[in-house]
Amino acid sequence: DQQVKQNSPSLSVQEGRISILNCDYTNSMFDYFLWYKKYPAEGPTFLISISSIKDKNEDGRFTVFLNKSAKHLSLHIVPSQPGDSAVYFCAASLDNNAGNMLTFGGGTRLMVKP
Amino acid sequence: GAVVSQHPSWVICKSGTSVKIECRSLDFQATTMFWYRQFPKQSLMLMATSNEGSKATYEQGVEKDKFLINHASLTLSTLTVTSAHPEDSSFYICSARDSGFAKNIQYFGAGTRLSVL
Repeated sequence: DQQVKQNSPSLSVQEGRISILNCDYTNSMFDYFLWYKKYPAEGPTFLISISSIKDKNEDGRFTVFLNKSAKHLSLHIVPSQPGDSAVYFCAASLDNNAGNMLTFGGGTRLMVKP
Repeated sequence: GAVVSQHPSWVICKSGTSVKIECRSLDFQATTMFWYRQFPKQSLMLMATSNEGSKATYEQGVEKDKFLINHASLTLSTLTVTSAHPEDSSFYICSARDSGFAKNIQYFGAGTRLSVL
């Protein structure tokens, strides 16, 4: 049972345009959400996060939106740059005694074309 | 951001040997570290949660006698793949959670690519 899903395995965007990566979850108890960026043969790099008490968090070119009623979050990158090409994972966290383990989505490969 | 160092980055070993992977938090203390495994073109699969000073918590289907975890200090966790076989070949990644700040964020090491011949 996949609790966090990224339904688009890949996304191609022109440089300068907006990239929108989507993520859906099923467990309404998740209270913290994160986005990671990953290059091949490297560990994921933390990008941005959002608490369930908020619906938007912005950091430079990256904005994460959370719609709790729809159990949906999205990452917007604008303007997109070729260096943004990577695999993006969304992750959800549950604040419990299990050490805030993360549940990852399957990832979306973003390709930004020059 | 916080730095997590993982060593070695790549190891090739013969079938039947054991391999130890180290994960260190360089600029923060981590009472909890996590070990993941990633197969090609797939997501990260949590193997176990490593707790400083106590036994690791393994996910269902992960053999604890196969994947030995030791978290002896607040900055170091090790994963030992015992009697490695070709099916253990994979990309192993550790992460650490800052005990004192932003506890929900995990910072990842660069990963270790294990190839078992």
